[in-house]
Amino acid sequence: SQELEQSPQSLIVQEGKNLTINCTSSKTLYGLYWYKQKYGEGLIFLMMLQKGGEEKSHEKITAKLDEKKQQSSLHITASQPSHAGTYLCGASHSGNTPLVFGKGTRLSVIA
Amino acid sequence: DAGVTQSPTHLIKTRGQQVTLRCSPISGHKSVSWYQQVLGQGPQFIFQYYEKEERGRGNFPDRFSARQFPNYSSELNVNALLLGDSALYLCASSFGASGITGELFFGEGSRLTVL
Repeated sequence: SQELEQSPQSLIVQEGKNLTINCTSSKTLYGLYWYKQKYGEGLIFLMMLQKGGEEKSHEKITAKLDEKKQQSSLHITASQPSHAGTYLCGASHSGNTPLVFGKGTRLSVIA
Repeated sequence: DAGVTQSPTHLIKTRGQQVTLRCSPISGHKSVSWYQQVLGQGPQFIFQYYEKEERGRGNFPDRFSARQFPNYSSELNVNALLLGDSALYLCASSFGASGITGELFFGEGSRLTVL
């Protein structure tokens, strides 16, 4: 089974709408990372969360970490075409282990 | 400032051949990690190097090898290529030894197609 489950797998939203992507870990989280990837390109770092209840925002993107549920959510407010891409969550389970990634959520924003 | 640079960006090989991918980390970063991303999947960890020493290895066969040079650049080698090795190979750099101190900075990747 996948160590990190992301939902939904894909999402099509109308421009201006809000959306939420979830990432659930089957193991205890040490750190949770969100990245964005344009098709066939490298990953762009968005945010890192480490403490339960932590919430971070960058422009119209907000990420929260629920440590008890071992889950993180990424919320985009008033989506724009520039938000389109694949969003990947990555998790570390200790201070010296490599990041494990989910399969990603592909977001399309239509006019 | 230059980010993580990878070369080549695209390459096509045939089964059984060997390939070498190259990565230059961000200036000042001493750790390099390699990931394989198959289409439709998340990146899978292959190797991490810090100060020229291997610090971690993922679940990949011995056909995969890597090294890090004194200037912290790195090479990933794959021998006896299989069709299943077709993927985007991503290099990421970070400052710390753990490879996850702060965020990982990724390059644009090398897309390998094996025919």
